[in-house]
Amino acid sequence: QKEVEQDPGPLSVPEGAIVSLNCTYSNSAFQYFMWYRQYSRKGPELLMYTYSSGNKEDGRFTAQVDKSSKYISLFIRDSQPSDSATYLCAITNDYKLSFGAGTTVTVRA
Amino acid sequence: AAGVIQSPRHLIKEKRETATLKCYPIPRHDTVYWYQQGPGQDPQFLISFYEKMQSDKGSIPDRFSAQQFSDYHSELNMSSLELGDSALYFCASSARGVSPETQYFGPGTRLLVL
Repeated sequence: QKEVEQDPGPLSVPEGAIVSLNCTYSNSAFQYFMWYRQYSRKGPELLMYTYSSGNKEDGRFTAQVDKSSKYISLFIRDSQPSDSATYLCAITNDYKLSFGAGTTVTVRA
Repeated sequence: AAGVIQSPRHLIKEKRETATLKCYPIPRHDTVYWYQQGPGQDPQFLISFYEKMQSDKGSIPDRFSAQQFSDYHSELNMSSLELGDSALYFCASSARGVSPETQYFGPGTRLLVL
């Protein structure tokens, strides 16, 4: 069983909709929770990170962590076609990232 | 801002050949990570270096080796290439001691083994 589980989707939404992505993890020792965005044939790009339970907002993006449930989420408000990409959750404890499988999101114009 | 540089961007090799991938980290980053990403898969950690010493090892085959040089750039050497080695190879860099230690990825090298 992987340390981080993520539904690979794919997820297709109309422009302007809220995109909801989530991951679960098994190791309660994990300290930092990150979301990466990866466009096709490109390297993963760090979107957001958080290390405590609760919400963190950055523009249209909100990262949510629930350590008691070992559950993390990313919400994208007012989604745009340019948000179409694969979103990977990543969790780290000792400098080594453990990635989820990635969820492929398509925002339809 | 300067990013992680990887070369070459594309590489075609035949079975049993060798390949060398290079990674130049972001300036003042002292830690380098190598990942392998197969089609439709998440990046799998191979190996990492901190201050020119191997710091962690993941699912790196014995046919592969890597090192970090005095200027902090890193090279991944792959020998006796197999068809299954065809993948995207990413390098990431970070600055150890910065909390949290976030990794910044390069554009990747796409390796095709024929």
